Amino acid sequence: AQSVSQHNHHVILSEAASLELGCNYSYGGTVNLFWYVQYPGQHLQLLLKYFSGDPLVKGIKGFEAEFIKSKFSFNLRKPSVQWSDTAEYFCAAGGGADGLTFGKGTHLIIQP
Amino acid sequence: DTGVSQNPRHKITKRGQNVTFRCDPISEHNRLYWYRQTLGQGPEFLTYFQNEAQLEKSRLLSDRFSAERPKGSFSTLEIQRTEQGDSAMYLCASSYPAPFFGEGSRLTVL
Repeated sequence: AQSVSQHNHHVILSEAASLELGCNYSYGGTVNLFWYVQYPGQHLQLLLKYFSGDPLVKGIKGFEAEFIKSKFSFNLRKPSVQWSDTAEYFCAAGGGADGLTFGKGTHLIIQP
Repeated sequence: DTGVSQNPRHKITKRGQNVTFRCDPISEHNRLYWYRQTLGQGPEFLTYFQNEAQLEKSRLLSDRFSAERPKGSFSTLEIQRTEQGDSAMYLCASSYPAPFFGEGSRLTVL
């Protein structure tokens, strides 16, 4: 069965700290990978996606993620976080007729 | 607004009543998905349409749940005989190629 694991459920960082959120997936065949962000009171927004090609993917708002096939990982990174990055972050895999399988999310709090 | 639109945004109903949610996808997207999200969890896939064809519905939670997309444009998700456990956020997404989500319809069953 397909699954996505996010290892950190709650992360607290200070502004300007570097961020890395872990994501591992279990998925048969070719996999599409996504990171979504949900700011307080808002809907899910796509941060970045990986379909194929360069395993280092750049997204919006300075976020990037690296697809490491051998580790079944797709970790999200940002070199310097801001208070406005406080949000819930979801990793997801799949697409097409099977829809996306989401992780449980990481609640990120940035302290000013 | 050219994003995914969902209505109503909030619905409070009594147990046993039927409810229907509507989703208007981004106009050029032929793929449409419904998900359910409960507190503290990621969204859970329910069903998938490509144009008007419902290509995946085995993940609908029970036979009380049904969805339609009659003309390949908007879609509806109906829950019959609601139960308290149906209380959740129901999300619609349309896709080409990456899914874009609407703001969701929050259901509260009393």
